Amino acid sequence: AQKVTQAQTEISVVEKEDVTLDCVYETRDTTYYLFWYKQPPSGELVFLIRRNSFDEQNEISGRYSWNFQKSTSSFNFTITASQVVDSAVYFCALKGGTSYGKLTFGQGTILTVHP
Amino acid sequence: KAGVTQTPRYLIKTRGQQVTLSCSPISGHRSVSWYQQTPGQGLQFLFEYFSETQRNKGNFPGRFSGRQFSNSRSEMNVSTLELGDSALYLCASSRGETQYFGPGTRLLVL
Repeated sequence: AQKVTQAQTEISVVEKEDVTLDCVYETRDTTYYLFWYKQPPSGELVFLIRRNSFDEQNEISGRYSWNFQKSTSSFNFTITASQVVDSAVYFCALKGGTSYGKLTFGQGTILTVHP
Repeated sequence: KAGVTQTPRYLIKTRGQQVTLSCSPISGHRSVSWYQQTPGQGLQFLFEYFSETQRNKGNFPGRFSGRQFSNSRSEMNVSTLELGDSALYLCASSRGETQYFGPGTRLLVL
């Protein structure tokens, strides 16, 4: 069975602060994929980043960066210099390499960025 | 490129009725997955279709069914609606491992 845990239910920050969203996962698959999605109030899930289990290189993309650590089964996501438009629910998700189409989601973290 | 589209966007039904939701994937995407999102259970996988074949199914009762057409468009059907079926239903399409989601259909069962 696969499991994704986002321990932070809600985070509140002031604009321009950096914020890190935590994600811990469980899987028995040797190949798997990790994702972060953003869900604004409109409801649509917006894809942000994907990481493959066989690639532990951490990267930065604009204001987004992520820290993938296989040893601790964690896939944390950081927004640098947060903006009000970043306010949304953020979901971490896991897909097993042998699982067709099934994403397992965490419970989500509500991020509120105050001006 | 147009994104994933879902129709209708909003739906109100009464208990016992049935409902059909539609999803048009991104052009060139042959895999379509469906999810149910509720405040209590979060995002849960319903099923996935590829080339008109269901390849994977989540843990939902048989009242939930789906199909995919030759143009990759997909429909899901819920029969004998229950109050607990009120949810946001999301579909996603993919060509590789990354799924791209549509805006969802909000279903309210009264």
